[in-house]
Amino acid sequence: GAVVSQHPSWVICKSGTSVKIECRSLDFQATTMFWYRQFPKQSLMLMATSNEGSKATYEQGVEKDKFLINHASLTLSTLTVTSAHPEDSSFYICSARDFSGIPINQPQHFGDGTRLSIL
Amino acid sequence: QKEVEQDPGPLSVPEGAIVSLNCTYSNSAFQYFMWYRQYSRKGPELLMYTYSSGNKEDGRFTAQVDKSSKYISLFIRDSQPSDSATYLCANVESMEYGNKLVFGAGTILRVKS
Repeated sequence: GAVVSQHPSWVICKSGTSVKIECRSLDFQATTMFWYRQFPKQSLMLMATSNEGSKATYEQGVEKDKFLINHASLTLSTLTVTSAHPEDSSFYICSARDFSGIPINQPQHFGDGTRLSIL
Repeated sequence: QKEVEQDPGPLSVPEGAIVSLNCTYSNSAFQYFMWYRQYSRKGPELLMYTYSSGNKEDGRFTAQVDKSSKYISLFIRDSQPSDSATYLCANVESMEYGNKLVFGAGTILRVKS
């Protein structure tokens, strides 16, 4: 149980294009989803917290107009990297929290990530 | 100073060895501590989580927390080549809009057969 599917797993595109990444919770409802970015040999850095039906909360230093997040349903959140440039190349990972049980039993379940390469 | 520090390794051990992975944190407000395992090109998967100081055991894995020294450890007994991965410690930080995970950079573990 608690499977999070992320699509696509790898995308290569030209500088200036926009890229959409999908994150789905397959067997549970996720009121909250999280988007992370991970550079090689570095830690996961939280970009934004997304609550279903409301605007995402972005971490300091993350441009909300650059990284558009939509969380329209309890099982789907999308991240759109607008006008992507080579410096946006990274590994983007989403996670979703299963809200069954007490808070400590609400671990985040992670997708397998999307490797984004901007040429 | 980073909030969560880990030695990046890599840590190489022979199969069957006991592995000790360590993490220090600076924020006294952290209450929950988690260990994630991440294989190459995959998302992290939760291994263990703890709340209080002391030990928690799950199969070959033991998590240890010492809040007085802000030090957390993960021990792996009878290590296997399949344990080769990056191990991330994470603390839970309470925010106005909910909890968020603060990750260390991860320690690369290589178990040689």
